[in-house]
Amino acid sequence: DGGITQSPKYLFRKEGQNVTLSCEQNLNHDAMYWYRQDPGQGLRLIYYSQIVNDFQKGDIAEGYSVSREKKESFPLTVTSAQKNPTAFYLCASSRDGYGYTFGSGTRLTVV
Amino acid sequence: KNQVEQSPQSLIILEGKNCTLQCNYTVSPFSNLRWYKQDTGRGPVSLTIMTFSENTKSNGRYTATLDADTKQSSLHITASQLSDSASYICVVSGPGGTSYGKLTFGQGTILTVHP
Repeated sequence: DGGITQSPKYLFRKEGQNVTLSCEQNLNHDAMYWYRQDPGQGLRLIYYSQIVNDFQKGDIAEGYSVSREKKESFPLTVTSAQKNPTAFYLCASSRDGYGYTFGSGTRLTVV
Repeated sequence: KNQVEQSPQSLIILEGKNCTLQCNYTVSPFSNLRWYKQDTGRGPVSLTIMTFSENTKSNGRYTATLDADTKQSSLHITASQLSDSASYICVVSGPGGTSYGKLTFGQGTILTVHP
C-alpha cells in the first residue's frame, strides 16, 4: 500500500541534544512538508521541498534543519537551538499541490 | 494577516444527532478550502476539498458548504457515530498555490460523540 511513514511515533530529547525525525513516502510525490502542531493552534509550516536537493523555509524554520537527498525521504532535525521543541510533528506529501497525504506524526517531548 | 477561525472550539453531542461546525477565513485571494478529520495522535485525513466555484460537497455523512462571498464554510455531520469523535480542521489555500505549501490551518473543533 502506498503511504507516508513517520518514525518514531514517540521521541524524547534531552536539553541541548539534536534529534532527527524520519519521513518516508512511497507515493512518488514530488513535494514534501513538515508541520508542527501545538494544542489549540493550527498546523504551522516548518520546511517544505518541491524537488530533490531543494527545500524552502516555512513560517517557523528557526531551530530546525532538513535535507532532501532522495525523493522518498525528507528527514527533519530538531536542533538544540529550538528552545521549545515539545510538539506533535506531522510530515505531508503532495504530487500536484492539490491533494495532501499526511503521516501519522511524531510526538517529541523534552525531558 | 491571513487567518482561519473555527467555532466552536469543542462540541459534545449524543450518538445519532447531527451537528454543524463553522469556519471563517480572511485568506485572499482564495484558491480552495479543505476539511480534514484528525483522530487523536494521528495525522489529518481529507474529508472534502472545494474550489471557490463550488458551494457544497458531500462525502458520506459529511457535507461541506462554502460561501466565498462571506468567506464562510460549514461542515455538517449527519447521524453522528462514536467514530466521529475527532478534531475537525478547516484549511484554506491562498496565493501561490498549494504546491508551495501556502495552506492556512484553523485551530480545529474537537467533537466528542457520546453513546
